[in-house]
Amino acid sequence: QVQLQESGPGLVKPSETLSLTCTVSGVSTSSYYWSWIRQPPGKGLEWIGYVHHSGGTKYNPSLKSRANISVDTSKNQVSLKLNSVTAADTALYHCARGQALDNWGQGTLVTVSS
Amino acid sequence: DVVMTQSPLSLPVTLGQPASISCRSSQSLVYSDGNTYLSWFQQRPGHSPRRLIYKVSNRDSGVPDKFSGSGSGTDFTLKISRVEAEDVGVYYCMQGSYWPLTFGGGTKVEIK
Repeated sequence: QVQLQESGPGLVKPSETLSLTCTVSGVSTSSYYWSWIRQPPGKGLEWIGYVHHSGGTKYNPSLKSRANISVDTSKNQVSLKLNSVTAADTALYHCARGQALDNWGQGTLVTVSS
Repeated sequence: DVVMTQSPLSLPVTLGQPASISCRSSQSLVYSDGNTYLSWFQQRPGHSPRRLIYKVSNRDSGVPDKFSGSGSGTDFTLKISRVEAEDVGVYYCMQGSYWPLTFGGGTKVEIK
């Protein structure tokens, strides 16, 4: 059974870098693409980007090159870094499998505040 | 970006009655490989989204057959044949034919 678990700091200061990890079990990260999606409180879903196990990435242009997604196959983890954060980046951050998002983690809430 | 527009925003339904959610895309979702990458997700209160339907009409494993997807081009529909209490939540459509992937704004299904 595929399981994804997001983790990371729940509070980040404005202008700093948000760093999250998605730990995958039940399947190897050396297969599939891995995506990050976010959901501001009470709002809809925004796709952030994905990484392929080969290291290839694709991002949502709306993030203006602030995002970086990577995969560590030795740890079976996928990481998200988002720099220069503002209050607008406050959201529930989810990782999901593939470009078709067929399995999701439970999400982790990140608040951007001083 | 491809804009996905869902309607209605809110859908009160009587238990046991059918429900239908519409999703329209700002351009055709037929990809160059001939497939149409339109998915539906269910998000129950306090839970993560769960994919129900992919490529317009294919149900994911474990999804009850009361859920069905249909449509083509730019117009798509998710139907629930008989709504039960466990179906309460927000439903999203998503297109995967163009980058970036984009979602509809969501339809909140509630019991009348």
